[in-house]
Formats: sequence, C-alpha cells, structure tokens
Amino acid sequence: AQSVTQLDSQVPVFEEAPVELRCNYSSSVSVYLFWYVQYPNQGLQLLLKYLSGSTLVESINGFEAEFNKSQTSFHLRKPSVHISDTAEYFCAVGLSGTYKYIFGTGTRLKVLA
Amino acid sequence: EAQVTQNPRYLITVTGKKLTVTCSQNMNHEYMSWYRQDPGLGLRQIYYSMNVEVTDKGDVPEGYKVSRKEKRNFPLILESPSPNQTSLYFCASSLGPTVSGNTIYFGEGSWLTVV
Repeated sequence: AQSVTQLDSQVPVFEEAPVELRCNYSSSVSVYLFWYVQYPNQGLQLLLKYLSGSTLVESINGFEAEFNKSQTSFHLRKPSVHISDTAEYFCAVGLSGTYKYIFGTGTRLKVLA
Repeated sequence: EAQVTQNPRYLITVTGKKLTVTCSQNMNHEYMSWYRQDPGLGLRQIYYSMNVEVTDKGDVPEGYKVSRKEKRNFPLILESPSPNQTSLYFCASSLGPTVSGNTIYFGEGSWLTVV
C-alpha cells in the first residue's frame, strides 16, 4: 500500500534559522512528489513539485526539496526562515498513471521572533 | 483569475438535516475532488471525478454523495449529516490524472460543524 509519512507534526524554529521538514513515502508504482503550503484560514497552495530530471527542486520563496529515491524521501528545506513562513506544510505523492493523490498528515512550522 | 470556489465557507447544522456544499472551478479542469481535513489525519479523499458524469469513491466516502453534471461544478452532498462529519472540507481540481504530474488547485475550504 502507498503511504506518506511526515515525521514531525510541529516544528518551532527561530527567525533566520534553517529548517528541514521531513517526508518519506512508500509506493509500489512511480510517483510524482509535491509540497503544498496552507497559510492560516486558507486553502492549500502548491509550493514545489518533482516530476523528473534534477532531483533538487526550488520554489520562488527560497524553499527547496530533494528527491532521494534510495531513501524514498522528499525533505523540504529553507536556509533562513521568515515569520511569514509560519504555516502548515503537506507532502503529497501522485501515483503515476492514476488520479490518486496521497497526502501526509502535515507539519506545522512556527517561526519565532 | 483561476480559482476554485466553495460555498458556504462556514456552516453549523443539526444532525440529519441534508446539506450541500457547492464547488465551482473556472479552469476547465477535467478532474475534481473533495477532501476532508482533520487534526492528525491530514487530508483524506472523499470522492473524485474524472469528467462529467464520471465519479468514484476515495478513501472515506461513507455518508457523502457527489454529482458531476457540468464540468465546472462538483457539489458535495451530505444526505443525513452526523457529528463525525464535523470537519474542514476542501474542493480541488486539476487538469487531469497524475500521469503528467498535474498540480491540484484547492478551494479555500468549508468549515462544517454538525451538532
């Protein structure tokens, strides 16, 4: 069975510090990998995605994620966080050839002043 | 502006009183879906639709119905709501299946409380 695991439910971090949000997946078919962000009282928005090619993908606001096939991971990183990055982050996999998406349980990132 | 619009955004209702949450997208997307978000459980798919008149169950379909009579609309129907359906609901759409790694676009969510 396919699954997505986000190991940390909450991550507090001070402003300008680096952060890593972890995501591991399990799947018997090829997958596409996504990170979505949910700001308070809003819907989810795509942050970045890995479809193929370079295993390191970047977003416009400084986040990056690296696909590691051997470890079945897609961790999200940012070298220096801002207060405005406070949000919930969801890792998701799309199963190739299907309409199926599987979401992780989310990680609440709280950036402290 | 490309968007997925849900209504109502907030609703308190009583057990057993039928309700419908509407969803509309303006991107001509084929694929639409409903999710519920609960603390500690993330997003779980309720139903999805691949195109007009084509729907299928997701992971948690019990107690819900859907219909897809037009491409742009995908309402979620709770025929007899129960308190365990108290949740935050999201409608979503995408261009097509994940075979092409399509991005999902989400509505802003509908908070539903069943008392």
